[in-house]
Amino acid sequence: SYGLIQAPSVSVAPGQTAKIICTRDNIGTTGVHWYQQKPGQAPMLVISFDTDRPSNIPERFSGSASGTTATLTISRVEAGDEADYYCQVWAGSSDLPAVFGGGTKLTVL
Amino acid sequence: QVQLVQSGAEMKKPGDAVKVSCKASGYTFTDYYIHWLRQAPGRGFQWLGWINPDRGGTKSGRDFQDRIRMTRDTSSGTAYMELTGLRSDDTAVYFCARDVRQFLFDPWGQGTLVTVSS
Repeated sequence: SYGLIQAPSVSVAPGQTAKIICTRDNIGTTGVHWYQQKPGQAPMLVISFDTDRPSNIPERFSGSASGTTATLTISRVEAGDEADYYCQVWAGSSDLPAVFGGGTKLTVL
Repeated sequence: QVQLVQSGAEMKKPGDAVKVSCKASGYTFTDYYIHWLRQAPGRGFQWLGWINPDRGGTKSGRDFQDRIRMTRDTSSGTAYMELTGLRSDDTAVYFCARDVRQFLFDPWGQGTLVTVSS
């Protein structure tokens, strides 16, 4: 089997740091991408290739990776950060090239 | 700004076909592949396929090869995805997304809800 594994939920108080983890299981060798999706909206890219942050994304969002684990870190969490976060990789297969994790619901307490 | 705008929600019956459009703006349409993905209620994302807007070539996932048709109109900067033989489990929000590099999707269209019900 292969895939990307995410915990279903993470809760954090405002102003604290949230860490959302994505674990690879026999899949892909290129970087991990992270998307934020708020209810009723399209996903929005927040981190690409493990660590690259688009210019429109606040510096509070950062990414890291080590071994089979990628981590999205959100510092000084705000109420507006409450959303589902999905990791995604290029799996390298022509039949199923894009694979997503199951998503982590970030709840701001 | 770079934007993808999709067509509106659709209600279909089992066996019908649906065609969703995705109009690009803010960049050169033919410079980037467009992908189609879907998100079923309470489920994750599923990749459906891509189209090369420049040459029109397509590639679809194995699960959809017989039912999906992706086309484009370069004059209007619009990509289309048609899914035939609809079943109830095709009920989902369908997204188009621009591939900026090696299956990195940015931005996404706003999504089109397709509901299949008798």
